[in-house]
Amino acid sequence: NAGVMQNPRHLVRRRGQEARLRCSPMKGHSHVYWYRQLPEEGLKFMVYLQKENIIDESGMPKERFSAEFPKEGPSILRIQQVVRGDSAAYFCASSADNNQPQHFGDGTRLSIL
Amino acid sequence: AQSVTQPDIHITVSEGASLELRCNYSYGATPYLFWYVQSPGQGLQLLLKYFSGDTLVQGIKGFEAEFKRSQSSFNLRKPSVHWSDAAEYFCAVGPNRDDKIIFGKGTRLHILP
Repeated sequence: NAGVMQNPRHLVRRRGQEARLRCSPMKGHSHVYWYRQLPEEGLKFMVYLQKENIIDESGMPKERFSAEFPKEGPSILRIQQVVRGDSAAYFCASSADNNQPQHFGDGTRLSIL
Repeated sequence: AQSVTQPDIHITVSEGASLELRCNYSYGATPYLFWYVQSPGQGLQLLLKYFSGDTLVQGIKGFEAEFKRSQSSFNLRKPSVHWSDAAEYFCAVGPNRDDKIIFGKGTRLHILP
């Protein structure tokens, strides 16, 4: 029973490029959460999605960041025109419903050159 | 192996009573330690963190935690709980060199009126 799968594990981009981070939830989970961890910080909530719907995006930066969770396929966190400050570890979690514990992936480390 | 143990799956306390949630860790170096709270339908919220310095750390919502190296513990406390504190609480350690966060399995807090 595979856990939450995130890929890539490490992603390097140059300033101005786009970054796409993927998250496949655990089997049977339809709720996905994205978090960002900056160096020496805790996790900061970004967005909460269910299949084809954004439930809560209160933690998402207003510009350049978007997220989706299509009917088929993984959830995607997309960062356009990346800047140095986007360098961080991005974690995805999934749950069976909004009252169940979240299971975390191993994260994607994004580095901006 | 690195691990985080939260020995209590459920805890029930009366409103106004004091609270202590236990967390023990196994980690090769001086850890970064965190406590998070998850309310239904919401992402994780950081309550407090410990990196270094004063071993008693203050967090949001009246919570505090004490790092005890000799006991490998980082217990969460609150002098007087409120009904709104009912939630799932997660202790976490990390990141390590691979940026992996290690979470405990969580403690579900129930509040009696």
